[in-house]
Amino acid sequence: GIQVEQSPPDLILQEGANSTLRCNFSDSVNNLQWFHQNPWGQLINLFYIPSGTKQNGRLSATTVATERYSLLYISSSQTTDSGVYFCAGGSSNTGKLIFGQGTTLQVKP
Amino acid sequence: ETGVTQSPTHLIKTRGQQVTLRCSSQSGHNTVSWYQQALGQGPQFIFQYYREEENGRGNFPPRFSGLQFPNYSSELNVNALELDDSALYLCASSGTPRGLNEKLFFGSGTQLSVL
Repeated sequence: GIQVEQSPPDLILQEGANSTLRCNFSDSVNNLQWFHQNPWGQLINLFYIPSGTKQNGRLSATTVATERYSLLYISSSQTTDSGVYFCAGGSSNTGKLIFGQGTTLQVKP
Repeated sequence: ETGVTQSPTHLIKTRGQQVTLRCSSQSGHNTVSWYQQALGQGPQFIFQYYREEENGRGNFPPRFSGLQFPNYSSELNVNALELDDSALYLCASSGTPRGLNEKLFFGSGTQLSVL
């Protein structure tokens, strides 16, 4: 099955700093999503991005499908960005998403 | 607010007991998926239901079962609870069974503790 590897596992930033989170896939996926899990456990969908680049405010994501990786950029980080970021991928013949182990982000004031 | 609601939010059970978790899908969504998230791990796919039929299953034993109702709400049932079943159980709804071209929206989850 598809393996999903996220890096780095942990990240500590000062408020205002920028960061890049990476997600590598062992096989091709055509359903790729990024999520933010807040300290209360709620999983918030950030992007559906099987290929290309999307931006939403201070967040943007780029997926290079041919090289099986995706990047999540966080600019001008805020303390509310703290939490765990997951990428998840799946193939076209199933709705199943395989999640990575996550990147735990802590933004300090 | 995703429109996906789960109940209860927390639950404590004893090993060997049975539990039922509930999920109400976002309006207009006919597909529901259940995930198990152990502490410090990413969510793992349990199964998916589409129009009241199971439409894919992850690597979970048969004591994990589900139902989807005509209004597309869903239940996850776990029999003969084991200590390792302690986890956050997440429900997600989507408008299509393959989830292509659309985001997956999750509920807030049910935190299950098995003692």
